[in-house]
Amino acid sequence: GQNIDQPTEMTATEGAIVQINCTYQTSGFNGLFWYQQHAGEAPTFLSYNVLDGLEEKGRFSSFLSRSKGYSYLLLKELQMKDSASYLCAVREGGYQKVTFGTGTKLQVIP
Amino acid sequence: DARVTQTPRHKVTEMGQEVTMRCQPILGHNTVFWYRQTMMQGLELLAYFRNRAPLDDSGMPKDRFSAEMPDATLATLKIQPSEPRDSAVYFCASALAGGTGELFFGEGSRLTVL
Repeated sequence: GQNIDQPTEMTATEGAIVQINCTYQTSGFNGLFWYQQHAGEAPTFLSYNVLDGLEEKGRFSSFLSRSKGYSYLLLKELQMKDSASYLCAVREGGYQKVTFGTGTKLQVIP
Repeated sequence: DARVTQTPRHKVTEMGQEVTMRCQPILGHNTVFWYRQTMMQGLELLAYFRNRAPLDDSGMPKDRFSAEMPDATLATLKIQPSEPRDSAVYFCASALAGGTGELFFGEGSRLTVL
């Protein structure tokens, strides 16, 4: 089994940078995902990390440290439309089970 | 435009009734997941399949829930009998094993059990 922890809520200002952390414990790590979910909608894929280091994709970057069981999602130049929940998910094992954290609700304010 | 299709989008039913939710995965995807989302619990994994075979359904209440894949284009999640505590949004997601294996989610089925 696994345990995935994220902050419940965060608030940040439009134009700023915000970092959303995720820690996990798993017996057979096989990759980490970040998803974005707007209220009333389905989650959509943001990023994937399987090796240590930083993956950059436009305004969004994701970092992974496997030895520390730690990842973060970095959002730059925040826009109002970035207000959403951000879900960290860990894939484990040979059968590639994917388990989600409870998500971080980000509110972007003017 | 490849996408995961779920039906029904909304369902209101009375306690004790049977509920069946259906999912059509993206053509060619060989892994299908069922998740339940509530405000309190977030996204909970109920069951998942690889090449139509069930791999793990430990997250599912066995006495009332069942999940199947009759063929590669259809996954079903059935609740019988339904209870008010089953009220939630049920998401189906499909993925292609290997590579990033990212999950593509359907729009969800919002279930309300009165």
